[in-house]
Formats: sequence, C-alpha cells, structure tokens
Amino acid sequence: GAVVSQHPSRVICKSGTSVKIECRSLDFQATTMFWYRQFPKKSLMLMATSNEGSKATYEQGVEKDKFLINHASLTLSTLTVTSAHPEDSSFYICSARVLWGMNTEAFFGQGTRLTVV
Amino acid sequence: EDQVTQSPEALRLQEGESSSLNCSYTVSGLRGLFWYRQDPGKGPEFLFTLYSAGEEKEKERLKATLTKKESFLHITAPKPEDSATYLCAAIANTGFQKLVFGTGTRLLVSP
Repeated sequence: GAVVSQHPSRVICKSGTSVKIECRSLDFQATTMFWYRQFPKKSLMLMATSNEGSKATYEQGVEKDKFLINHASLTLSTLTVTSAHPEDSSFYICSARVLWGMNTEAFFGQGTRLTVV
Repeated sequence: EDQVTQSPEALRLQEGESSSLNCSYTVSGLRGLFWYRQDPGKGPEFLFTLYSAGEEKEKERLKATLTKKESFLHITAPKPEDSATYLCAAIANTGFQKLVFGTGTRLLVSP
C-alpha cells in the first residue's frame, strides 16, 4: 500500500513554544490530507482537512490560529501547534487519501506524540 | 448524522479461538468501509476497504465482510501478535468525504 511518513514521532517542547509536524506521501500525490488528534484509549478525532494550494478546513471547535496547517505541495502537509500548552499534549496523526478510479483508500502516518512541559 | 459503532469495546481471546468484531454504520451513501489495525503509540495500519454489500476481503487470518448496515471482521485462529485495537471507519458520498471512525475494539489474544 501507499506510504505516509510523519515526522517527528515524538517531541517534547516547553510551554509557549511552537512545534511543527510534517506529513509526507512518499510514493503518491495527495491533494487532500487529514489531521487527527487521538486521546488515550479513544478513537481518532478529525481536526482539519488540508487541501493542496488552498486554506485548510477546520472542524468545529478546533482553533485555526492554534493549529496552523500548510499544504504547500502534493506530497507535504504540515501542522504547526503554536504557543503550545500542556493541554495540547496528545497524539497527532495525519492521513492521505488515494483514489484508484472509483475506489478510495486512506493511509495514515506513524503519528507524533507531543508532550508540552 | 453519519455514525459508526463498533462492538464489543474489548475482547479477550485464547490463541486459536476464532471470533468476529462488529461495525455498524449509518452513512448517507456509503462510498467505502475501512478496517484498520492500530498498535499502541502507532498510526492506524490499513487492512481493507469494502465498497458494496456482499463484498468480502481476506488477509492472512483476517476476513472482512460487508452488508448494507454492518461490517464484520472475522479473526480465524488468532495469535498473540494479532492483539491490537481494530478500527472501523466509513466514508459517505457527500461533502468532503471525511472518514467517520468508530471507537474501536481492543483485542487481546492470550497464548
């Protein structure tokens, strides 16, 4: 299957600083990528849909200025957590959709464990 | 509103004890039903996509089936390495075609 690479896998940062997470589609072009947040023992919560060359679409309740998303190319989307606080500590996962004619598959990155201290 | 519900929430099996996980969905025009495996601290690993009722797909000890209202993930003679959380998700044929996830089934297979 297609490969989605997410980096870094773990990051610890101080309160008030910003952290950037990268999501790359390695062997395909992804016009749309998705960013999720996952709390312990919970399912994935969609944060935003990232479209190449345009503004991201955020889910209700997700702060646009806190979670900056950039999708500058067909293979790279980034999520920047700005002015991070301990409550932003979580597991963040990106996903890319692949369309094969009428069929669709969705692949996920390895996830990033963010700890804000 | 599109919804996906998984049961049971947790399942403990002995090695070799076959069972099934359930995923019920209410989606406006199903475009695809997905199954993923997720290990702790990792992103979901793609297993299957099913598109229409009656469709079945197999991979090693796993077999996924789909009806108009639900999907089953059958695990035949599981091994301890099959222990993981299994997630089901659906895409509707509307809007941005977002994946709607169930809450998952935590599977533990004991030797």
